[in-house]
Amino acid sequence: EVQLVESGGALVQPGGSLRLSCAASGFTFNANWMHWVRQAPGKGLVWVSRINSDGSVTKYADAVKGRFTISRDNAKNTVYLQMNSLRVDDTAVYYCARDLGWNDFDYWGQGTLVTVSS
Amino acid sequence: DIQVTQSPSSLSASVGDRVTITCRASQTITNYLNWYQQRLGKAPKLLIHAASRLQNGVPSRFSGSGSGTDFTLTISSLQPEDFATYYCQQSYTTPTFGQGTKLEMK
Repeated sequence: EVQLVESGGALVQPGGSLRLSCAASGFTFNANWMHWVRQAPGKGLVWVSRINSDGSVTKYADAVKGRFTISRDNAKNTVYLQMNSLRVDDTAVYYCARDLGWNDFDYWGQGTLVTVSS
Repeated sequence: DIQVTQSPSSLSASVGDRVTITCRASQTITNYLNWYQQRLGKAPKLLIHAASRLQNGVPSRFSGSGSGTDFTLTISSLQPEDFATYYCQQSYTTPTFGQGTKLEMK
């Protein structure tokens, strides 16, 4: 059974940093691209970042470019999102998702809540 | 970025109704259009990918159609568990989502 389990969400002050983790199981992790998608409270889904299967290619939404870094450790079956210079508008539930084949997301984690507030 | 616009933003319907949600892309995306269901407090679930391909395990009352810029998601006979929010998403370029359609019980 495919499982994605996010962790690392917390309350952090503006300007702070946080690292999210997404532990994967039930599939050949190093064969799939992975994504982060976020959802602000009461709002819609917004794509954040993706990483290819070996970690050599990454892409970011303009809103997080230069502040967030996606990475993966295929030995640990885990994808990460390092978030720096956090802003109030980064407050959201962050989901990791597996790429089905072309930027479409067939499995999602349960999400982890990041709250940026003073 | 390619924008995707869903309509309606909300919809009231009854169990057994046939429901259609539409999604329009700001430029052609061929068939790179996906549909998700999100129940309250839960993660999204992929229903349809590549415009019309039913994801494994999704009931056959869900169907998708369209190509180019105009797409539809149809639920042929609403069931109680279908009351949720639905999102379209284009995967032709950097992924973008529609704003969502909240399907409520009449």
